[in-house]
Formats: sequence, C-alpha cells, structure tokens
Amino acid sequence: KAGVTQTPRYLIKTRGQQVTLSCSPISGHRSVSWYQQTPGQGLQFLFEYFSETQRNKGNFPGRFSGRQFSNSRSEMNVSTLELGDSALYLCASSLASRDTGELFFGEGSRLTVL
Amino acid sequence: AQSVSQHNHHVILSEAASLELGCNYSYGGTVNLFWYVQYPGQHLQLLLKYFSGDPLVKGIKGFEAEFIKSKFSFNLRKPSVQWSDTAEYFCAVFSGGYNKLIFGAGTRLAVHP
Repeated sequence: KAGVTQTPRYLIKTRGQQVTLSCSPISGHRSVSWYQQTPGQGLQFLFEYFSETQRNKGNFPGRFSGRQFSNSRSEMNVSTLELGDSALYLCASSLASRDTGELFFGEGSRLTVL
Repeated sequence: AQSVSQHNHHVILSEAASLELGCNYSYGGTVNLFWYVQYPGQHLQLLLKYFSGDPLVKGIKGFEAEFIKSKFSFNLRKPSVQWSDTAEYFCAVFSGGYNKLIFGAGTRLAVHP
C-alpha cells in the first residue's frame, strides 16, 4: 500500500513569490492535514480537509490556503512568500471515519525562501 | 489552549542505557495520546498510541509509554537503547474538542555506540 506522497520534495523560491505543494493521501484515506515544521516552532498545524471541506484551521495568516479534490488529493498554497515561510511542510492522511488523531505522514516538501 | 510539553530537547545516551522521555499535556477532557518518531532522513511515523484501556502501552522496537491521567503525562520509555534509536521523538495529543493533533517541541535523541 503506497504511503502519503508529497511533491515537490524540495523547492527554492524568492520573497514575494507564491508556491503550491501537492499531497496524495494513502488510498482510501479521506482526511488530509497539513503541518509546518521548523526548528524554532516545531510542528504547527495548518489545516485539515475532509471530503473537499476544510474542517479545521490553525493560526496562520490568510496567505496560507489549501484545498482538497474529489479524489482526496490536496494542495496547499502560500502566497507572497516571506523568509520565515522556509520550512518543511508535512502532509498527513487518515481514514477519518471517526477522528482519532492517528495520522500517516509523507516525507514533506522542503521550502527555502531566499 | 491545548499544549504539549516535552521535558528534554536533547538527550545523549550510550547504547544499552535506559531511556525515559517526559511528556505533559494541558487539557482536562478525554484525549488520545501518541508518540511519533522521525529517523534521520525519514518521514514521521507512529511509535505508539493510547486511546483507552491499559495505561501502559507497547509500541514498535521495544518502546512503551505510560499514561498517568492524574499527572497529565504520557512518558516514553525503553529499557535498553540502540544506536538505531537515534532520532527525534514527538509527543502528540488529540482531543475531540480541538479536533487536531497537537505536537510537543520534540526531543532529539543521540545514541552513541
């Protein structure tokens, strides 16, 4: 069974640009969550999607957005990039027939903003 | 607000030493508790979980954790660590009230042969 797949794995952007990251969940998983991981802040929850609807959102500015498609694949977008957006962005999926918190993580997309 | 505290940011041990990593959370309601591990260059993966029942739970690779409700703690233990246990360990808490998984800051464990 394939795991959570994230693309791209690495990318470099400059301040002011925008970026889109993609996540394909484990087959059959309908919930997708996104986290930002940095050395200073650790793992911070961005948002969670289930059946194309955002069910929960963390404390990030509106520059961070996401969406989920009918096949459960998800994308997140960061507009007007800032240096502080440099981080590892992790996607995680779960069955979510009943939320338990158990997540399966991808390897992440490492974003560097110059 | 719900939060998770991990007592140690960096731990250095020799092989065969015993390990205990502390984790405390702040939430008075029902919670599900997790320890995740991130080996160098690998993705975050589940080490063990507690939903209900026996407060002593066993996970992969000889790890175990004990849930002490009165102390809001979920400490991770291993009697004898190996060099391959070198990784970063994250405690995490999920509650239906917040409906999201909250992570601690992580503990970097280095095991020397």
